[in-house]
Amino acid sequence: DAGVIQSPRHEVTEMGQEVTLRCKPISGHNSLFWYRQTMMRGLELLIYFNNNVPIDDSGMPEDRFSAKMPNASFSTLKIQPSEPRDSAVYFCASSLMGRHEQYFGPGTRLTVT
Amino acid sequence: AQSVTQLGSHVSVSEGALVLLRCNYSSSVPPYLFWYVQYPNQGLQLLLKYTSAATLVKGINGFEAEFKKSETSFHLTKPSAHMSDAAEYFCAVSDNFNKFYFGSGTKLNVKP
Repeated sequence: DAGVIQSPRHEVTEMGQEVTLRCKPISGHNSLFWYRQTMMRGLELLIYFNNNVPIDDSGMPEDRFSAKMPNASFSTLKIQPSEPRDSAVYFCASSLMGRHEQYFGPGTRLTVT
Repeated sequence: AQSVTQLGSHVSVSEGALVLLRCNYSSSVPPYLFWYVQYPNQGLQLLLKYTSAATLVKGINGFEAEFKKSETSFHLTKPSAHMSDAAEYFCAVSDNFNKFYFGSGTKLNVKP
């Protein structure tokens, strides 16, 4: 199995630009999670989906952040417009409902200048 | 509500010494508990999980953890540290909807 795939691995952009992060979960998994990791705040859950439906987006920091899951094999996290404080590593994870353990992707390191 | 507390943000041990990383949890339901490891510039990798079977759980790389309900603890141990164990370790508890609550992490340093 290829594991969770995230792209790009690194993204450097200027303040005000739109950023789109992509995630392909493990085939057959039906839960998908987006996290953000920073030194100051640690690991934060931003949003998660069950069967492609957003269940809890209470961790999404602002309206500038949005996430979609148009099908079982693809999800995006979009930041528009981006700000320097959005600089972080963004992780996607997937799991099989009822199994609980989550499998993480390698992350996208976002730098907003 | 679920929460996790990891005592000690940094732990340093000598190579060959016992590793003990502490995790206490709070859960309103029977917990599912996990330990993950994160090596520099990588994602989180599952070390082991407790899902109400045996209270002593064995994981990868020689790690194990013991679930103690009376102490609401799930400490991670390894009898003999190796240099390759240097990483950050996260404890997590899951609710009934697969949502994870992570601790703040413990960075393990292994001295030669």
